Amino acid sequence: AIRMTQSPSSFSASTGDRVTITCRASQGISSYLAWYQQKPGKAPKLLIYAASTLQSGVPSRFSGSGSGTDFTLTISCLQSEDFATYYCQQYYSYPLTFGQGTKVEIK
Amino acid sequence: EVQLVESGGGLVQPGGSLRLSCAASGFTFSDHYMDWVRQAPGKGLEWVGRTRNKANSYTTEYAASVKGRFTISRDDSKNSLYLQMNSLKTEDTAVYYCARLQGGSGYWGQGTLVTVSS
Repeated sequence: AIRMTQSPSSFSASTGDRVTITCRASQGISSYLAWYQQKPGKAPKLLIYAASTLQSGVPSRFSGSGSGTDFTLTISCLQSEDFATYYCQQYYSYPLTFGQGTKVEIK
Repeated sequence: EVQLVESGGGLVQPGGSLRLSCAASGFTFSDHYMDWVRQAPGKGLEWVGRTRNKANSYTTEYAASVKGRFTISRDDSKNSLYLQMNSLKTEDTAVYYCARLQGGSGYWGQGTLVTVSS
C-alpha cells in the first residue's frame, strides 16, 4: 500500500496567515492526489483534485501543487472558517490511502 | 445535486453482523464506482472498499483490514449501495461514510455510526 505522510500533524496560525501543508507519498502517484477539509462532526469536503485543480465552489485562496511523490496545499490568506483538519488522499492505486491529517488551530 | 444518505448504523456485539445502506440521488448511479470510507472516533480517514460499475462487472476492492469480513454490493435499480459487515471487531467502531471518490470526484454522505461493543 502507498503510505501518505502529511506534515506537520498540527499547528497554530492566525487569520490572514499564509499556510502550507505538505503530503509525501511513499512511491510515485503522478498527479492522482486530492485534498480534503474536515470540520468536527462533518463529512470531508473536497478542495483540490488532480493535485492542483480547484473543486467548483472552493475559494481561490486554496491551491495545490506537486506531482510524483511531493505535494503541497496552500491557503494564501487564512480565514476563520478554514480552521479544520486537512487530509491528502491518493487515488493512483488500491488500496486508496489517506494522510494522517493536519489540524490547523487558532493561535 | 449529488446526495448520499447512509443508514443502518448502531450498536452490535463483537462477532456480530450489520448491514449498512446508502441511498444515492442527483446523478446516474449506475455509471459510477462507489466507495465506503470509515473514521474511528478521534482518528483519521480509512478507505474500506469500492465497487465498480456494471461496465466493469461490479468487481470490488477492499482494504486488507476488512477483506474476507466485509462485502460491498449495489442495486442499480434502487440507486443503492450496501456494506455487509460480518465478524465485527471492537476496532471496526467508526463512522462509516458512503462516498463517490472515482477520479478524485469527492462526494460524501453524512455518515452513520457503528459501535462494536459488548
